[in-house]
Amino acid sequence: SQQGEEDPQALSIQEGENATMNCSYKTSINNLQWYRQNSGRGLVHLILIRSNEREKHSGRLRVTLDTSKKSSSLLITASRAADTASYFCATVSSGDGNKLVFGAGTILRVKS
Amino acid sequence: DTGVSQDPRHKITKRGQNVTFRCDPISEHNRLYWYRQTLGQGPEFLTYFQNEAQLEKSRLLSDRFSAERPKGSFSTLEIQRTEQGDSAMYLCASSFRQGLQETQYFGPGTRLLVL
Repeated sequence: SQQGEEDPQALSIQEGENATMNCSYKTSINNLQWYRQNSGRGLVHLILIRSNEREKHSGRLRVTLDTSKKSSSLLITASRAADTASYFCATVSSGDGNKLVFGAGTILRVKS
Repeated sequence: DTGVSQDPRHKITKRGQNVTFRCDPISEHNRLYWYRQTLGQGPEFLTYFQNEAQLEKSRLLSDRFSAERPKGSFSTLEIQRTEQGDSAMYLCASSFRQGLQETQYFGPGTRLLVL
């Protein structure tokens, strides 16, 4: 079963705009990760944030984590057409091995 | 290419037939995971290996499913007596165990269609 939900389910923006995706989860976690999946391709790891971290940056990506609200957000700044993909958050739960539990994903379309 | 590879990339089979998928992980990775992804959903965990030992299996993995990782290298996932509900993308991932924070690297997946 899915751990939580991403919001929105789909997002369409113009190139150059920022895109924000949200993720909610249900259990205590060790870390939360964001992945990207292009049509017909496998999942690509974007960023990992530990449960004791609140914010993390990687290039044009900014991730926040609020463990009190069990939620995370992914911000992509200055979006490009190549950012068009599905974005998934995935959690690793405390005491549950290292398997990833994914949400249903957000479909992002960046129009050029 | 030193990433995770999966074979075949696509498989069409008739209901009731057996199918086998192969995953070759990144060479130095000691952990290997199998996930299943249906249309419009995120991947769901099936099972994982540390070296050759299968350490966890999901409830999703019915008796018709079996996975192996002989010698702790490549892995196979076999589905016996396939059903239409088995149609999905089967993803393999590998990682190197280092503390609690590990990154899983995914292969391109095998898309299965059961007619």
